[in-house]
Amino acid sequence: EPEVTQTPSHQVTQMGQEVILRCVPISNHLYFYWYRQILGQKVEFLVSFYNNEISEKSEIFDDQFSVERPDGSNFTLKIRSTKLEDSAMYFCASGISGGETDTQYFGPGTRLTVL
Amino acid sequence: KNEVEQSPQNLTAQEGEFITINCSYSVGISALHWLQQHPGGGIVSLFMLSSGKKKHGRLIATINIQEKHSSLHITASHPRDSAVYICAVKGWGGNTDKLIFGTGTRLQVFP
Repeated sequence: EPEVTQTPSHQVTQMGQEVILRCVPISNHLYFYWYRQILGQKVEFLVSFYNNEISEKSEIFDDQFSVERPDGSNFTLKIRSTKLEDSAMYFCASGISGGETDTQYFGPGTRLTVL
Repeated sequence: KNEVEQSPQNLTAQEGEFITINCSYSVGISALHWLQQHPGGGIVSLFMLSSGKKKHGRLIATINIQEKHSSLHITASHPRDSAVYICAVKGWGGNTDKLIFGTGTRLQVFP
């Protein structure tokens, strides 16, 4: 069964460094999402992406964050200058249609630790 | 106030027990999702509901749109059902397709 994959599974970085989290969505899906979950807290929406542009973003998704679909298969989240509070689990998700009743399929997550 | 509230926050059960997890929301929604998060962190989609009831194996999900409430039931619970169960809603109208998550219910089923 097709699934969303994410790499790396765990990333450790120093504060101020740039990180790129990678996702490979399910191949026929057109809508892509990033969510994050700080340890012990609920999952929060970061950004949605369709047709090579951001369709919606949350207050969390500030200028330090960017997303890209560089080659038609990967979907990346870049954090330009990491802060301690960026430490979290980052989940990528994809959906076929993005419609009201579309299911989003989640990847296994990347645990980001900022030291 | 959270837009999506779940109860209970923690739940322990003996194997074989019937489990109910509740979700209430305060916004208009187009769909409600029940998700399962395993101890390693991965999230699996269990159900997507916009009305009525759905069943998959030992899992049953119901939603009452008028009361803005959904329940997830697990019949004949098993230790492998131990996980965090998360309710998430998709808002109604506009171009939003983001999910708004509840805080989750941590379920432990003991043999």
